[in-house]
Amino acid sequence: KQEVTQIPAALSVPEGENLVLNCSFTDSAIYNLQWFRQDPGKGLTSLLLIQSSQREQTSGRLNASLDKSSGRSTLYIAASQPGDSATYLCAVLQGGSEKLVFGKGMKLTVNP
Amino acid sequence: KAGVTQTPRYLIKTRGQQVTLSCSPISGHRSVSWYQQTPGQGLQFLFEYFSETQRNKGNFPGRFSGRQFSNSRSEMNVSTLELGDSALYLCASSPGLAAYNEQFFGPGTRLTVL
Repeated sequence: KQEVTQIPAALSVPEGENLVLNCSFTDSAIYNLQWFRQDPGKGLTSLLLIQSSQREQTSGRLNASLDKSSGRSTLYIAASQPGDSATYLCAVLQGGSEKLVFGKGMKLTVNP
Repeated sequence: KAGVTQTPRYLIKTRGQQVTLSCSPISGHRSVSWYQQTPGQGLQFLFEYFSETQRNKGNFPGRFSGRQFSNSRSEMNVSTLELGDSALYLCASSPGLAAYNEQFFGPGTRLTVL
């Protein structure tokens, strides 16, 4: 059974820091991995999608990497801003299904 | 292009009642998935529909059901509501197979069961 872990569960940093968010998964038979952010009481906003054959994807200040063999992904946020404060979730698409398996998320607070 | 829309945004029901939630995917998207989000369990997969056919189902009791219409709009129904069904219900749409496509989520329906 696929399990996705995000540690730590919460992080508070001052504005301007470069951040690394971690995600690990137990079964490497995945089709892809997607990073989302969720603002309080809202739905999920897709940040980056990495296919299983890819090593990384970039969008603006965000860069996500994937090491499928070791079951790890990282989301790098450059020069963090207070507007980056949200909960960040990673999810893997399990091979042979249309089902995303989510981590519990990491709540990020960026202080001005 | 309009995003995924869900109606209603908020619902309050009592135990034993039933509820129907609606999801309209992004125009041109044919796959719709439903997820339940609770503080304790996080996000859990309910089911996925493509071209009116349920392709995948999560580990939820039969009280949870869904369907998809020919215009790709989807509904989910929960019968005989229990207190534990209180949650944020999210739907996601994608153009086709999730293996090759990003999934886009709606704002969710917040269901409170009293």
